[in-house]
Amino acid sequence: AQKITQTQPGMFVQEKEAVTLDCTYDTSDPSYGLFWYKQPSSGEMIFLIYQGSYDQQNATEGRYSLNFQKARKSANLVISASQLGDSAMYFCAMRALSRGGADGLTFGKGTHLIIQP
Amino acid sequence: NAGVTQTPKFRVLKTGQSMTLLCAQDMNHEYMYWYRQDPGMGLRLIHYSVGEGTTAKGEVPDGYNVSRLKKQNFLLGLESAAPSQTSVYFCATRGPSYNEQFFGPGTRLTVL
Repeated sequence: AQKITQTQPGMFVQEKEAVTLDCTYDTSDPSYGLFWYKQPSSGEMIFLIYQGSYDQQNATEGRYSLNFQKARKSANLVISASQLGDSAMYFCAMRALSRGGADGLTFGKGTHLIIQP
Repeated sequence: NAGVTQTPKFRVLKTGQSMTLLCAQDMNHEYMYWYRQDPGMGLRLIHYSVGEGTTAKGEVPDGYNVSRLKKQNFLLGLESAAPSQTSVYFCATRGPSYNEQFFGPGTRLTVL
């Protein structure tokens, strides 16, 4: 079984500052993928970034980067130069990639990020 | 190209009533999923399907049934709704790649 822990229920950040959202995971699967999603107040799930457990480099997508530390089992999301539109819930999720287990993503409880002007 | 659509967007049921949520996708994906999201929680997997005619249980399957008679549609049924099933339900799909999961807009269900 997999488990995702997000220890920051809420965060307030000044506009234009960088933000780090914490995510730790637990799995016995040797091969897995890690996701970050954004959920604005309108409710849709917006994919931000993906990191495979065997990827050599940390994933980046525009202002988003994933600080992947495999030995620590952490996959923190970094948002550079935050904007007011970044205010939302952020979810870390995992998928085990080996066969035999249930497919689908395991989610953390999320972090509510509020960007202040 | 609509991606993933869910019908209905909102629904209010009384305890004991039944209903079916429809998920439709036009991406020709094999994999489809149903999740629920409760307040203050992340999404939890209810059931999933790895292809037409197949279904499997996820983390929280009790009280729900699913069917995948056509590749493009994945139905989630509540036979006898309970207040504990008040939630937002999300459908999702993916193709052969593990690094993707496309979500529908969600259905907000209230059971009184």
